[in-house]
Amino acid sequence: EVQLVESGGGLVQPGGSLRLSCAASGFTFSNYWMHWVRQAPGRGLVWVSRINGDGSSTNYADSVKGRFTISRDNAKNTLWLQMNSLRAEDTAVYYCARVLWDYWGQGALVTVSS
Amino acid sequence: DIQMTQSPSSLSASIGDRVTITCRASQSISTYLNWYQQKPGKAPKLLIYAASSLQSGVPSTFSGSGSGTDFTLTISSLQPEDFASYYCQQSYTIPLTFGGGTKVEIK
Repeated sequence: EVQLVESGGGLVQPGGSLRLSCAASGFTFSNYWMHWVRQAPGRGLVWVSRINGDGSSTNYADSVKGRFTISRDNAKNTLWLQMNSLRAEDTAVYYCARVLWDYWGQGALVTVSS
Repeated sequence: DIQMTQSPSSLSASIGDRVTITCRASQSISTYLNWYQQKPGKAPKLLIYAASSLQSGVPSTFSGSGSGTDFTLTISSLQPEDFASYYCQQSYTIPLTFGGGTKVEIK
C-alpha cells in the first residue's frame, strides 16, 4: 500500500526555520518526481516545489525561492522541505505528493507567528 | 505563470442534481489538466487526470472534458458524499497552478 506520511510541522517565529519530512512507502520512491503543495487556512491549493527522482533537478514557486530547499534521500525513502526565513504568509498545511498526484500525505501544519 | 480560473466559486445543489464546474486556463495547456476533490481536514483526492481520464476507484458519475483552455468537471448525479470542494490544476508547465476552487454545498 502506498503511503506518504509528513512530519515536522509546528509553531515557529517569523524569521525562523523548520524542516518537513515526508516518509514514503509502498512504491519505488526513486522512480518518481515528488512535490510539495501548501494550503493556507481557508484558502486554496498552491504548488511549492518539486524534485526529480535522483534529486538532481528542482523547481520552486517564486514565493519560496531562495528560502525553501527541497531534497530527498532515496535510501531512506524520505523527502524533505527545509524552510528558512519563514514569514506569516507561509502559515499553511503542507502536503507532499508524488508526480502522478494519486497519493498525497495527510498534511503537516506550519504556523508562523510570534 | 498560467492562471487557472474556476467557476462558480460555490454552488448549492440537491441530491441527484447534475453539477458542472468549469476551469479556464490563461493559455493553452493541451489536456494537462487534473481535477481534485477535497473534504475539510483532508488531503485532495485525484478524480480526473489528463482532462478526461477517470482515476481508478472514482465513481463513474464523475467525468471531465475539454482541451486547450476550457475544461469541465461534471457530476452526473450528486451524491451525499460529493459535497466538498473541487479544484482544477494544470500540469503543463512550471509553476504548476491550481484554480481557486469550487465549494459544492447542500441546497
